[in-house]
Amino acid sequence: GQNIDQPTEMTATEGAIVQINCTYQTSGFNGLFWYQQHAGEAPTFLSYNVLDGLEEKGRFSSFLSRSKGYSYLLLKELQMKDSASYLCAVAGGSYIPTFGRGTSLIVHP
Amino acid sequence: EAQVTQNPRYLITVTGKKLTVTCSQNMNHEYMSWYRQDPGLGLRQIYYSMNVEVTDKGDVPEGYKVSRKEKRNFPLILESPSPNQTSLYFCASSSSTDGGTEAFFGQGTRLTVV
Repeated sequence: GQNIDQPTEMTATEGAIVQINCTYQTSGFNGLFWYQQHAGEAPTFLSYNVLDGLEEKGRFSSFLSRSKGYSYLLLKELQMKDSASYLCAVAGGSYIPTFGRGTSLIVHP
Repeated sequence: EAQVTQNPRYLITVTGKKLTVTCSQNMNHEYMSWYRQDPGLGLRQIYYSMNVEVTDKGDVPEGYKVSRKEKRNFPLILESPSPNQTSLYFCASSSSTDGGTEAFFGQGTRLTVV
């Protein structure tokens, strides 16, 4: 089985940087995903890490340490539209992701 | 356009009346899955399928059935819905080609059972 843990809620200021952490325990590992989800909408893909290290994609970066069962999503130059839930998901032996409970990020002016 | 299509988007039904939520993808993906999302509980996996005629239980399969007779379709069946199945449901598909590629989600089905 899999166990994924991330903070329930975070707040940050527009223009700032925020780091959302995710820890996991899994039998089998085929990658870690981050998704963004606005209320009532479908999740949208942000990043995928399968090897250790940092993946950068514009204002968003994602880091993975497999030995520590740890990942983070880094959001830079925060904008109001970044207010959303951020979902950490792990693909185990089945390749199909299991999701954490999500972190609700509130960006205020 | 690559997409996952769920129907209906909204459904209100009564306890015990069988219903089916359809899911179809046009990307020739092998993997498909169903999730339900409830406040504070995140996305929980109901069932998944790794190919035609291959289905497996996820974390919360009780009260649900699925079938995968064709690659593109993965319907979710509630034989006798109950109020605790009121939830937001998402279907997703992904490819096995590169292992662990991103899941594409349908728009969601908001189900209310009264």
